[in-house]
Amino acid sequence: GAVVSQHPSRVICKSGTSVKIECRSLDFQATTMFWYRQFPKQSLMLMATSNEGSKATYEQGVEKDKFLINHASLTLSTLTVTSAHPEDSSFYICSARLNWGQGLNIQYFGAGTRLSVL
Amino acid sequence: AQTVTQSQPEMSVQEAETVTLSCTYDTSESDYYLFWYKQPPSRQMILVIRQEAYKQQNATENRFSVNFQKAAKSFSLKISDSQLGDAAMYFCAYKASGGSNYKLTFGKGTLLTVNP
Repeated sequence: GAVVSQHPSRVICKSGTSVKIECRSLDFQATTMFWYRQFPKQSLMLMATSNEGSKATYEQGVEKDKFLINHASLTLSTLTVTSAHPEDSSFYICSARLNWGQGLNIQYFGAGTRLSVL
Repeated sequence: AQTVTQSQPEMSVQEAETVTLSCTYDTSESDYYLFWYKQPPSRQMILVIRQEAYKQQNATENRFSVNFQKAAKSFSLKISDSQLGDAAMYFCAYKASGGSNYKLTFGKGTLLTVNP
């Protein structure tokens, strides 16, 4: 249980184009999902918290207009990198929150998406 | 703000031996959760073990166990009978309890190498 699917696993795009990444919770409903960015040999950097049915909450320094997040259902959140540039090349990871009750909330992660912008 | 510190950027262990990864954290909260996640070369983050701060008993999951010292704000991970598949980056993470803040605060990670 608690499987999170992220698609695509790898994408190469031209500079100036937009790329959409999907994150799905396959066997549970997730009112909250998270989007992270990870640079090589570094920890995960939280970009934004995606809330079902409402606007995402972005971390300081993350451009809202560049990284569009939509959480239209309890099992799907999408991250769109708009007008991508080479500096946006990175590894992006999503996670979905599963509420186990009694205050225990665990994040389960997708396998990540490697974005390369040429 | 909460911080999580992993003071060992890299560790190595011989296959079948035991290794302990360190993690300390800083918080003013009394109730919270602590986690260890593993990120193998595939880069899929996998939950290894969790600890509720209100529980005195250390969590155990098969070969993985923690030493949770609340007063010292320490949360180390012990891997017994290390296997080649344990080779990965290990991240310690903190989450406050209650409210609507579900964010995880991660440490910088420890890269574990398992030598055959």
